[in-house]
Amino acid sequence: SAVISQKPSRDICQRGTSLTIQCQVDSQVTMMFWYRQQPGQSLTLIATANQGSEATYESGFVIDKFPISRPNLTFSTLTVSNMSPEDSSIYLCSVGVGRATNTEAFFGQGTRLTVV
Amino acid sequence: AQSVTQLDSHVSVSEGTPVLLRCNYSSSYSPSLFWYVQHPNKGLQLLLKYTSAATLVKGINGFEAEFKKSETSFHLTKPSAHMSDAAEYFCVVSARGYGNKLVFGAGTILRVKS
Repeated sequence: SAVISQKPSRDICQRGTSLTIQCQVDSQVTMMFWYRQQPGQSLTLIATANQGSEATYESGFVIDKFPISRPNLTFSTLTVSNMSPEDSSIYLCSVGVGRATNTEAFFGQGTRLTVV
Repeated sequence: AQSVTQLDSHVSVSEGTPVLLRCNYSSSYSPSLFWYVQHPNKGLQLLLKYTSAATLVKGINGFEAEFKKSETSFHLTKPSAHMSDAAEYFCVVSARGYGNKLVFGAGTILRVKS
């Protein structure tokens, strides 16, 4: 299993500013994932963060808006840049644990972001 | 590509009656399938998973799901609903051929009436 700590748990930010969300895992993992859950919606994958390489972004998400760092095997950050009210969402960090054919995903508690 | 369709956005049952949450998937590779539960203002919790072993999977809190390849379905059931089961449930698919990325269904909100 894996225990994931996300900070901050929630924040209210002014439009045009940026927020960096931190994700700390209690074990070394190869891949970390960042998701967004907009109000009343399901989870959408933003990007996959591998240690030592650039993050891989899903369609509709770009590095300039959501820069990601992955300095080591237990830590990652996601920055939401130049925020607008449409960025108000829950952002979740996730890791996969187990053999490739038996991977189980664990999630942080999420960061509830409100942009005003 | 892979996708998940949860056939009901809302399900309402009476306490003590059976629960059925329906999920159909699409994947070009052999899938792994999961059900997650999200209680209000809480994180996601894994209920159960299918990863190419037994097709009938038992999870926590009395939930189980059956993988039916011919029907591309993975419906979640529970014989008797409890008030504490009220939450949102997500069906999720992943496959090694897609880098084990998780694709979430839209979610089903389960309401349990007393």
